[in-house]
Amino acid sequence: GAVVSQHPSWVICKSGTSVKIECRSLDFQATTMFWYRQFPKQSLMLMATSNEGSKATYEQGVEKDKFLINHASLTLSTLTVTSAHPEDSSFYICSVVLRNQETQYFGPGTRLLVL
Amino acid sequence: DAKTTQPNSMESNEEEPVHLPCNHSTISGTDYIHWYRQLPSQGPEYVIHGLTSNVNNRMASLAIAEDRKSSTLILHRATLRDAAVYYCILRQGGSEKLVFGKGTKLTVNP
Repeated sequence: GAVVSQHPSWVICKSGTSVKIECRSLDFQATTMFWYRQFPKQSLMLMATSNEGSKATYEQGVEKDKFLINHASLTLSTLTVTSAHPEDSSFYICSVVLRNQETQYFGPGTRLLVL
Repeated sequence: DAKTTQPNSMESNEEEPVHLPCNHSTISGTDYIHWYRQLPSQGPEYVIHGLTSNVNNRMASLAIAEDRKSSTLILHRATLRDAAVYYCILRQGGSEKLVFGKGTKLTVNP
């Protein structure tokens, strides 16, 4: 069964509003979660690393005030796209790394469309 | 991050083996070779990984060149459900980050 869930699976919002995306690790404690963004016909781009109980680490070029990440528990990380604009429309994917495992488990993704 | 080079696309016929190549000539001694695949409109899925020795699991086999500068993902009998983009990624030892390249889009013909 699925290890990682995301909610919502898709969202349409108006320009200027904020959107929160949840990433949950099901039945497992995830010390580290990652957030990716994927534009159509492109590869995944790592946005940030989310560590439980500490501030997220953002990749170069990703605005931390634009993409707020909260990792409040070992099973939940949230990504908030603040003041969304049409260029933020994308497929947002999270992944989790389980303790003592080599692999990443990816969520099903959240498709965001900003009008 | 060490880079990988993969063909943009490959085609295969159903029930035939598929060999997906990956070049990583700048690989360092502590880099692990990971393969993930992404089906349309889904998040990526782990396939296999290795360091130096060839690896087998229920999904695929990974053949790693002796000098580790290239590797090949082998799907023994392709099915229509194997149609996806396959990513070859080098993960640094001690780091959990994955940096995705462009991958190979595999088309499986019935």
